[in-house]
Amino acid sequence: NAGVTQTPKFQVLKTGQSMTLQCAQDMNHEYMSWYRQDPGMGLRLIHYSVGAGITDQGEVPNGYNVSRSTTEDFPLRLLSAAPSQTSVYFCASSYIGQGFDYGYTFGSGTRLTVV
Amino acid sequence: DAKTTQPTSMDCAEGRAANLPCNHSTISGNEYVYWYRQIHSQGPQYIIHGLKNNETNEMASLIITEDRKSSTLILPHATLRDTAVYYCIVSLYGNKLVFGAGTILRVKS
Repeated sequence: NAGVTQTPKFQVLKTGQSMTLQCAQDMNHEYMSWYRQDPGMGLRLIHYSVGAGITDQGEVPNGYNVSRSTTEDFPLRLLSAAPSQTSVYFCASSYIGQGFDYGYTFGSGTRLTVV
Repeated sequence: DAKTTQPTSMDCAEGRAANLPCNHSTISGNEYVYWYRQIHSQGPQYIIHGLKNNETNEMASLIITEDRKSSTLILPHATLRDTAVYYCIVSLYGNKLVFGAGTILRVKS
């Protein structure tokens, strides 16, 4: 298993550009989440999903869109990049069944700079 | 989701047990305590979780007080590789995780 794969690892955008951060997992996990982490700070939840076709907002959803058309993929779209969106973005997934909770598995992150 | 309070930082000698406290006085009856850690700039790593009983796995032990208002994560024999930010999170089973600031644990030789 590759686990949680995030692409790209690094990205520089100009203000106003749009892009999609990719997240894929091959563990058949139902739960997936997107976080951002600004320098020296903790992680903040952007969006999450409890299954294909189901998404919900987290703490800081403004400026981001998500969709979950398959179990494996959970892309994060930046609609119009702003310098305030410069951050490290982490995707995570988890299987939570009856009596089983193995915690979230996190990807290695995408480091985004908006200039 | 209930809030948690953790010390900003702690030091521990290599080979000794590291005991990381967490207060969660507003935890509700069906909320779990989760612990994650983040080493340098890597993605967070799940450590352990529990509801009311003490839990142990290959990485750590989790001690939850009887009133469930606080807990302690124990790394029995800390190594330099355990230097990280440790997050205590209270959440409903299977629910989203909301991270706080965490505790910076520095293991020193």
